[in-house]
Amino acid sequence: NAGVTQTPKFRILKIGQSMTLQCTQDMNHNYMYWYRQDPGMGLKLIYYSVGAGITDKGEVPNGYNVSRSTTEDFPLRLELAAPSQTSVYFCASSSSKSDHVYEQYFGPGTRLTVT
Amino acid sequence: EDKVVQSPLSLVVHEGDTVTLNCSYEVTNFRSLLWYKQEKKAPTFLFMLTSSGIEKKSGRLSSILDKKELFSILNITATQTGDSAIYLCAVDLFGNEKLTFGTGTRLTIIP
Repeated sequence: NAGVTQTPKFRILKIGQSMTLQCTQDMNHNYMYWYRQDPGMGLKLIYYSVGAGITDKGEVPNGYNVSRSTTEDFPLRLELAAPSQTSVYFCASSSSKSDHVYEQYFGPGTRLTVT
Repeated sequence: EDKVVQSPLSLVVHEGDTVTLNCSYEVTNFRSLLWYKQEKKAPTFLFMLTSSGIEKKSGRLSSILDKKELFSILNITATQTGDSAIYLCAVDLFGNEKLTFGTGTRLTIIP
């Protein structure tokens, strides 16, 4: 099992550009999450999904969009990049049983710089 | 609003010292508390605690939960430079599909 994979590892964007951060998991987890982590800070939830076709906003969804067409994939889209979106982005997944969120498994992260 | 607070924010100790990291929470419908270690990349899972007073242990790391006083501690004995990391705690709530994370404690071990 590869676990949770993310691409790209690094990216530099100009202000106003768009990009998609890819996330794939091969553990058949139904829950998936996108977090951002700013320097010296904890994790802030951007969006999450409890299954294919279902997504919901987290704490900081503005400027981002997600989709979940399959169990495995949960891409994060930035439409008009802004310097405030410079951060490290982590994708995570977890299984669930009776609505209980088990431990989350994290991808290696994408370091994004917007200049 | 659900809150998870970790202290201290940053800690620098010498190799061999023992450290105690704190995580307190103010949430509704608490179900479990999780600890993660984050080195240079992604967080990795350490412990999940659901019951008060039962210590979880893994090598030199141990953790315990107090559901009456609403906090957990993570102890690391005989610290090594490889313990240098950010330690994150997160709370899982009934009826909620997501974890609420604290801001983390940055631990630095000096050789």
